Amino acid sequence: GENVEQHPSTLSVQEGDSAVIKCTYSDSASNYFPWYKQELGKGPQLIIDIRSNVGEKKDQRIAVTLNKTAKHFSLHITETQPEDSAVYFCAPRRENNNAGNMLTFGGGTRLMVKP
Amino acid sequence: GAVVSQHPSWVICKSGTSVKIECRSLDFQATTMFWYRQFPKQSLMLMATSNEGSKATYEQGVEKDKFLINHASLTLSTLTVTSAHPEDSSFYICSASHRVNTEAFFGQGTRLTVV
Repeated sequence: GENVEQHPSTLSVQEGDSAVIKCTYSDSASNYFPWYKQELGKGPQLIIDIRSNVGEKKDQRIAVTLNKTAKHFSLHITETQPEDSAVYFCAPRRENNNAGNMLTFGGGTRLMVKP
Repeated sequence: GAVVSQHPSWVICKSGTSVKIECRSLDFQATTMFWYRQFPKQSLMLMATSNEGSKATYEQGVEKDKFLINHASLTLSTLTVTSAHPEDSSFYICSASHRVNTEAFFGQGTRLTVV
């Protein structure tokens, strides 16, 4: 199965600074790379995803970059705001497999944005 | 986006009793739903895959007789924690998607406390 690791496990930044979270994975056949945000007491929500036919995707203040050769992808948040404080999870997987949308999550990164 | 609703959002029960958690896809049909468990400050761990009209597939180490899963319709899956013990106290989260290879939507989670 997929072995997924995230770094760092906690990240504290000042409001307005950038934050970068890295996810490494083991399955070279993975071709779908999402990032989820989980606020306290809630379920995860997809914030951005990328597929292996592109190297970078951006949506306003967040972006995801992919390096398939090295088997890692990263979440970038610019101009961080206090409401970005949450736990972020990556969950790389293969699409077009028999496991449907079963996800293997990374260990999570707790981001704290200080005002 | 699609909505997945869990009920209840929190429950407290006595040791030895059973608790049922519902997961509904409100505006789409989900042939497959997934149940996850999350302990404090940890990642989500897949417990089982719930298939409409057939038996659930459990992950290694998850007792199928303790965590009963029923997927009676394309919009509803239930997880029943039988003979609950304090160590079953956790945050339980379900996810569902329209089809294979599309975004997985998560419920808001159910916090179970067994006293």
